[in-house]
Amino acid sequence: QAGLTQPPSVSKGLRQTATLTCIGNNNNVGNKGATWLQQHQGHPPKLLSYRNNNRPSGISERFSASRSGNTASLTITGLQPEDEADYYCSAWDSSLSTVVFGGGTKLTVL
Amino acid sequence: QVQLVESGGGVVQPGRSLRISCAASGFIFSNYGMNWVRQAPGKGLEWVALIWYDGTNEYYADSVKGRFTISRDNSKNTLYLQMNSLRDEDTAVYYCAREEAGDLTLWGQGTLVTVSS
Repeated sequence: QAGLTQPPSVSKGLRQTATLTCIGNNNNVGNKGATWLQQHQGHPPKLLSYRNNNRPSGISERFSASRSGNTASLTITGLQPEDEADYYCSAWDSSLSTVVFGGGTKLTVL
Repeated sequence: QVQLVESGGGVVQPGRSLRISCAASGFIFSNYGMNWVRQAPGKGLEWVALIWYDGTNEYYADSVKGRFTISRDNSKNTLYLQMNSLRDEDTAVYYCAREEAGDLTLWGQGTLVTVSS
């Protein structure tokens, strides 16, 4: 099944801003937006944002999500060492009747 | 406490079967669609299957269609994945995840399934 497209890696400095992208199509990201997940090594995924820019309680305001057309974005401001992790986007694909994931972006905080 | 707890993983030989479970607590299980998502060692997340809140519809990834069956028992607040004809490439951590309008909003801690002779 076709997935969403994410850059494999992004590197930014401490306290800088990182913007991660997730490209889909009209049947998934362009339809209902994307979910963003954070995963640290050896841990399960953690929900960061859903239905575009809804943050679960306990998630820092430094994480914000948006969508423009078929591209979803996750912006992380004031990067901290603990933000170094893998980030995944996902969406329901109404054409495939499946959930689709991006391949993940490894964020390195320099 | 709102949580999902997977169990039943282990080592199984190729071609054999295994059933894993996911116990839900802290929310009304029967109100939500539920998914299985897996992650092979060192790889990304791969969606496996979805079952509607009432069990009336199921959807599968092509990689498991015809071999895996998702099911649920709303009276026991439990989700299942029956895995038959297991292959080496099914080795992964299997997560259950709660679905809300297409978003996977709650995840378990995962259970490791290793297919090896």
